Amino acid sequence: DAKTTQPPSMDCAEGRAANLPCNHSTISGNEYVYWYRQIHSQGPQYIIHGLKNNETNEMASLIITEDRKSSTLILPHATLRDTAVYYCIVRVVQGGKLIFGQGTELSVKP
Amino acid sequence: SQTIHQWPATLVQPVGSPLSLECTVEGTSNPNLYWYRQAAGRGLQLLFYSVGIGQISSEVPQNLSASRPQDRQFILSSKKLLLSDSGFYLCAWSVHTNQPQHFGDGTRLSIL
Repeated sequence: DAKTTQPPSMDCAEGRAANLPCNHSTISGNEYVYWYRQIHSQGPQYIIHGLKNNETNEMASLIITEDRKSSTLILPHATLRDTAVYYCIVRVVQGGKLIFGQGTELSVKP
Repeated sequence: SQTIHQWPATLVQPVGSPLSLECTVEGTSNPNLYWYRQAAGRGLQLLFYSVGIGQISSEVPQNLSASRPQDRQFILSSKKLLLSDSGFYLCAWSVHTNQPQHFGDGTRLSIL
């Protein structure tokens, strides 16, 4: 599975959009981009995934660049409960294993 | 809707003692099941996965074993725990290998 690079930490003001970047320059054509988050002392929570088109659900939006070498997870109106470590993962279409890196620690501040 | 349960939430065990952690999934049939471990301050490491009853694949050699005695039950075991077995153990399920995995709340295991 391709390696991903994320900033170790980010801050965001409550009510503002949180934009979390991820680089995956070695991604292959058959690999999806997945995003999970982990709130302290809990199990990871699935957020969203995509292959090449932008995706949106009730939690977030995923913007994937045309060359697929990077993506951005957008939380449109961050709340204090969105404070967590966010993991960007690339995974083959038929793959079972999720390889979690160090992620980005997002702190949402009042 | 589907739910996943893990217990216990926390466990303190002496070195050399046995271990049994249980995970059950409700609301789905024939799920793929996974055991991960997260060491302090590090990412998750896949330990075992199962695509069906009695089918277990091991990702890394270790002091642990897994079993799937029923369709929606996944058990992580050890005969003799080591200090290095301490960590946060997470069970996950998915409908299929190419679908998102959904995690339980984990078991925090401390070995003394």
